[in-house]
Amino acid sequence: QKEVEQDPGPLSVPEGAIVSLNCTYSNSAFQYFMWYRQYSRKGPELLMYTYSSGNKEDGRFTAQVDKSSKYISLFIRDSQPSDSATYLCAMTTDSWGKFQFGAGTQVVVTP
Amino acid sequence: EPEVTQTPSHQVTQMGQEVILRCVPISNHLYFYWYRQILGQKVEFLVSFYNNEISEKSEIFDDQFSVERPDGSNFTLKIRSTKLEDSAMYFCASSAPSGQGYSNQPQHFGDGTRLSIL
Repeated sequence: QKEVEQDPGPLSVPEGAIVSLNCTYSNSAFQYFMWYRQYSRKGPELLMYTYSSGNKEDGRFTAQVDKSSKYISLFIRDSQPSDSATYLCAMTTDSWGKFQFGAGTQVVVTP
Repeated sequence: EPEVTQTPSHQVTQMGQEVILRCVPISNHLYFYWYRQILGQKVEFLVSFYNNEISEKSEIFDDQFSVERPDGSNFTLKIRSTKLEDSAMYFCASSAPSGQGYSNQPQHFGDGTRLSIL
């Protein structure tokens, strides 16, 4: 079983729709959960950072962590064509520790 | 906003040669990392570095690889005797953990160096 599973997509949505992304994981020791956005030939850009379970909202982005189910989600409201990118989940056991990344989900927002 | 900067953006090297990839982490960060991403695959951890020594490394990070912080600002990854399978994007990251007056700042990544081995 892979440590972090993420559907690679592509996920195509019309502009203005809600984008729903998720990852599952197997290591119950993970405590820190991140979402990164990666444009082609660029580095991962931090979007959301969550410690332990719960919800976090930042503008159009909402991150959810359910540690009991080992499941994390990212929602993007009012999606824009500029949101078209690959979204990576990442998680770690310690705030300074190595990240385990998901494979990334390619999102395409069509005008 | 502070950034992690990496040079060069693209490095082309003959198989068997040595390469040095360079990174300037965010200035108040304490932990430094190298990751790689082979085309079409997930981002993989190579090594983490703290207080002038390696704190953790993956099985990928064998004797072919080494890291160094030669001065107060640069962080380098050296790959000796490169192989074809070393072709990948190499990302540097830095972070600042909570405590010591810092709020917890997770890893910020540079835009990477694309390494092509011929």
